Amino acid sequence: LAKTTQPISMDSYEGQEVNITCSHNNIATNDYITWYQQFPSQGPRFIIQGYKTKVTNEVASLFIPADRKSSTLSLPRVSLSDTAVYYCLVYNAGNMLTFGGGTRLMVKP
Amino acid sequence: DGGITQSPKYLFRKEGQNVTLSCEQNLNHDAMYWYRQDPGQGLRLIYYSQIVNDFQKGDIAEGYSVSREKKESFPLTVTSAQKNPTAFYLCASSFGTGNYGYTFGSGTRLTVV
Repeated sequence: LAKTTQPISMDSYEGQEVNITCSHNNIATNDYITWYQQFPSQGPRFIIQGYKTKVTNEVASLFIPADRKSSTLSLPRVSLSDTAVYYCLVYNAGNMLTFGGGTRLMVKP
Repeated sequence: DGGITQSPKYLFRKEGQNVTLSCEQNLNHDAMYWYRQDPGQGLRLIYYSQIVNDFQKGDIAEGYSVSREKKESFPLTVTSAQKNPTAFYLCASSFGTGNYGYTFGSGTRLTVV
């Protein structure tokens, strides 16, 4: 399984765009990149998933360069309610999701 | 509304007792999972089941047991053999083990007293 590396924590202010970068140097051809969000004492929630280039939904954008060795989750105009832990995961068919420590995002007023 | 329900939300257990955590889903998902989360840590896989009457050990299965008699239900038993059972337990489900999003329950916080 490809291991992921992401910052332990990040701070931001309301209204700013937040970009969280994840490294996955040994990602395999069949691997997808997925991001989850977790609030305290709740289960993680699926945010976005992609394979290459750019994926956008109503919550976030995911940027994946051509070599796919990293990816960036972009949260536009964050609010206080976006304070959470964000997990970057790489997996393919047949593998279970393996969660690392995630990135703790703190949004300040 | 479809979803995945874990109960109870909080559970206290005396040392040496077995306890069973409930997980029910009405999403018609084939696969179900149990994760454990310790404070400030990520999630670790305990057991998973891809189909009824079949389940596999995850990374930290020792001291735990599961059953999958119905598609909708995947209860987890924390046995007295689990050395450090105090943790936050999360159940999840998905259509398959491939590139499908997981739906998580709201978790059960188990405390051994």
